[in-house]
Amino acid sequence: EVQLLESGGGLIQPGGSLRLSCAASGFTFNNYAMTWVRQAPGKGLEWVSIIGGRGTTTYYTDSVRGRFTISRDNSENTLYLQMNSLRADDTAVYYCAKAVRTPTVTDNWFDPWGQGTLVTVSS
Amino acid sequence: SYELTQPLSVSVAQGQTARITCEGNNIGNKNVHWYQQKTGQAPLLVIYRDSDRPSGIPERFSGSNSGNTATLTINRAQAGDEADYHCLVWDSRLHWVFGGGTKLTVL
Repeated sequence: EVQLLESGGGLIQPGGSLRLSCAASGFTFNNYAMTWVRQAPGKGLEWVSIIGGRGTTTYYTDSVRGRFTISRDNSENTLYLQMNSLRADDTAVYYCAKAVRTPTVTDNWFDPWGQGTLVTVSS
Repeated sequence: SYELTQPLSVSVAQGQTARITCEGNNIGNKNVHWYQQKTGQAPLLVIYRDSDRPSGIPERFSGSNSGNTATLTINRAQAGDEADYHCLVWDSRLHWVFGGGTKLTVL
């Protein structure tokens, strides 16, 4: 059974940094792209970033490019999201999810998802 | 930029058919995926590539996609189907785009 478990969320002041982690199990981690999707309170889903299985291909949504960095440690089956220069509008539940198609990164969809970790940016 | 438009809410009587739309420019040329999200839970994939159903998803859930509209259809709606439903497409420039989500109420 595929399992994804996010951690690292919390309350952080504007301008601060936070690193999210997503521990994966139940599948061959380095065969699949992994993604982060966020959901602001009471809002819809917003795709944030994706990384290919080998870690060499990454994409970001415009609002986080240059501030967030996605990475992965295939030896530890863990996905990361380093978030810098955090703003109030980054407040959201952050989900990690596994891409379905392998080995492609693009034109993919995501299943399953982790339970999410809440990031609150506030002074 | 590519945008997907969903109705904010859809209501359906228990046992009847619910249809949730996702509108986008020439969305019929894209693969559309649908997620169900119950309160406090992570999204769950219910339809992928317009009309394919993952294992474990009831046959009551189906999808279609043509022209500028993709549709998620839920036959014989049940109280347990109450949730937010989100459509997702991949766009070659923006990468992944979600619709705003639709709240389904089963009366």
